[in-house]
Amino acid sequence: QKEVEQNSGPLSVPEGAIASLNCTYSDRGSQSFFWYRQYSGKSPELIMSIYSNGDKEDGRFTAQLNKASQYVSLLIRDSQPSDSATYLCAVKRSSSNTGKLIFGQGTTLQVKP
Amino acid sequence: EAGVVQSPRYKIIEKKQPVAFWCNPISGHNTLYWYLQNLGQGPELLIRYENEEAVDDSQLPKDRFSAERLKGVDSTLKIQPAELGDSAVYLCASSSTPGGPYTGELFFGEGSRLTVL
Repeated sequence: QKEVEQNSGPLSVPEGAIASLNCTYSDRGSQSFFWYRQYSGKSPELIMSIYSNGDKEDGRFTAQLNKASQYVSLLIRDSQPSDSATYLCAVKRSSSNTGKLIFGQGTTLQVKP
Repeated sequence: EAGVVQSPRYKIIEKKQPVAFWCNPISGHNTLYWYLQNLGQGPELLIRYENEEAVDDSQLPKDRFSAERLKGVDSTLKIQPAELGDSAVYLCASSSTPGGPYTGELFFGEGSRLTVL
């Protein structure tokens, strides 16, 4: 079992729809969770971080965390073609105060005009 | 502010040849990471430096990979000899904090794409 699992996709949604990206993790004590966006041929960039159960909203993005279910999600409202990218879920282990992020394989999102 | 700079962007070599990648982190960032990213996969940590000290190199294949960060700024990742399976993108990243549990913003360079023939 991978430590951080994502469906590789592609997830295809029409422009203006809500895109829902999901991630599960195996280390129950993990404390910090992050979503990175990676455009094709480019490097990852951080778009959201979440540390507590519940929702965190930032513009069109909402991160959701459920530690009991070991589940993190990213919702993108009013999806735009420019949101087409690979979204990487990253988790920081509880035993690590050392900065090591474990990345999932990423979910490719395609937003069709 | 300049971002993380890596070179070369692309490198094609024959197997068994050596190769080296260079990274210059964002000014003032004490923590530097080397990640490997295979096609369709997420980044995998190879080594992490706090200043000039390698604090996590458990995933670095030490028989052929080596890294250094002299003076706690620039870093070099070397592979010798390269194997076909080393073809991947090598990402360098830096961060301004040593990585407490509530920090996770890494700034990545554009990566060095290695092709081993």
